[in-house]
Amino acid sequence: QSALTQPRSVSGSPGQSVTISCTGTTSDVGVYNYVSWYQQHPGTAPKLMIYDVTKRPSGVPDRFSGSKSGNTASLTISGLQADDEADYYCCSYAGGYTFIFGGGTKLTVL
Amino acid sequence: EVQLVQSGGGLVQPGGSLRLSCEGSGFAFRSFWATWVRQAPGKALEWVANIKQDESDKYYVDSVKGRFTISRENAKNSVYLQMNSLRAEDTAVYYCARKGGSYFGFDVWGQGTMVSVSS
Repeated sequence: QSALTQPRSVSGSPGQSVTISCTGTTSDVGVYNYVSWYQQHPGTAPKLMIYDVTKRPSGVPDRFSGSKSGNTASLTISGLQADDEADYYCCSYAGGYTFIFGGGTKLTVL
Repeated sequence: EVQLVQSGGGLVQPGGSLRLSCEGSGFAFRSFWATWVRQAPGKALEWVANIKQDESDKYYVDSVKGRFTISRENAKNSVYLQMNSLRAEDTAVYYCARKGGSYFGFDVWGQGTMVSVSS
């Protein structure tokens, strides 16, 4: 199974909003409301930012939000801050208790 | 503090074996699915394997089926990944993670451990 499709990079200035897309298929993103998003700073473990498409774990700022339409999920970060600069990965449940990650998106805060 | 602490990893020759360990603390380990995720150098995350709370079911990505085995010892709050017949393409940082109790997200991660397969 191929990885979910994410843009390789996105950028924005402090205070702006950016959206990262994550495109799957009717076997994963399109059929399950189980998309999660992870933030990963260099040399560190990933951190869960969004789960079940739209939900935020405790401690994650409400500047981070998730959505889904058809086979594409999206992560929107509003009020960009310098510390948001990181790699972001989407992940979808793919049935049969298996999961598939996206190829990752590098966010640059200009 | 809720955490997962990993051990194991290192350099191994192609065809060799390695066992990774991951110990949880600060939470009811036996109540959660455990997962292994890997990341090849400069590459994306890749889900590798899952194991249910009672070890009744295990699931693997196709590329490791028949070579890797996930297991757990709830009495030791630990999950393991036995890796056999290792290949160069298995070279990666391996992370253990906890799947959220009632939701589909990996909410606690180990620190990661490097596995290098090279002659």
